[in-house]
Amino acid sequence: EAGVTQFPSHSVIEKGQTVTLRCDPISGHDNLYWYRRVMGKEIKFLLHFVKESKQDESGMPNNRFLAERTGGTYSTLKVQPAELEDSGVYFCASSLFADTEAFFGQGTRLTVV
Amino acid sequence: KQEVTQIPAALSVPEGENLVLNCSFTDSAIYNLQWFRQDPGKGLTSLLLIQSSQREQTSGRLNASLDKSSGRSTLYIAASQPGDSATYLCAVPTGAGSYQLTFGKGTKLSVIP
Repeated sequence: EAGVTQFPSHSVIEKGQTVTLRCDPISGHDNLYWYRRVMGKEIKFLLHFVKESKQDESGMPNNRFLAERTGGTYSTLKVQPAELEDSGVYFCASSLFADTEAFFGQGTRLTVV
Repeated sequence: KQEVTQIPAALSVPEGENLVLNCSFTDSAIYNLQWFRQDPGKGLTSLLLIQSSQREQTSGRLNASLDKSSGRSTLYIAASQPGDSATYLCAVPTGAGSYQLTFGKGTKLSVIP
């Protein structure tokens, strides 16, 4: 069974540009989470989808970030326009139920220059 | 608000040594605790998940303990090997109805051959 996959693995963009990260959860997992780790900080929760609905987006830093999960399958996280402080590693995780163990992807390393 | 602290931030040991990594959390109302490993440039690998009803969980040379009442968990690594070098992260679910995790900053372990 395929795990959680994220694309791309690395992305380097200039300040002001737009970047879209993608996450494919484990098949059948209704719950999908986004996290990120910026330099020197702990991994922090961004948001939680249940199927195509945003269950909790309390961790989204500002309105430059837009997450979608059309059809309840894969999810995208768009950063527009990107700022230097957005650099970090963005992780996606999925779980079968809301209170069961979530499995993480390999992450996308975003560098904004 | 749950806070997770990991001590030490970094640890360097000679190969073969046994070691203990520490994790503390402020809100003892957790239903499990999870230890992860992160290798440079890689994603998160789940090592052990301890349910709140358990006191210990073992996997190979790894043993994790949980003391909910004192808000502490330890990860014991026996007979350390250079391949154990990585960052070890402790995380707890934030609340019911979601597997939103609160992470510590991690302990960076270096095992010297």
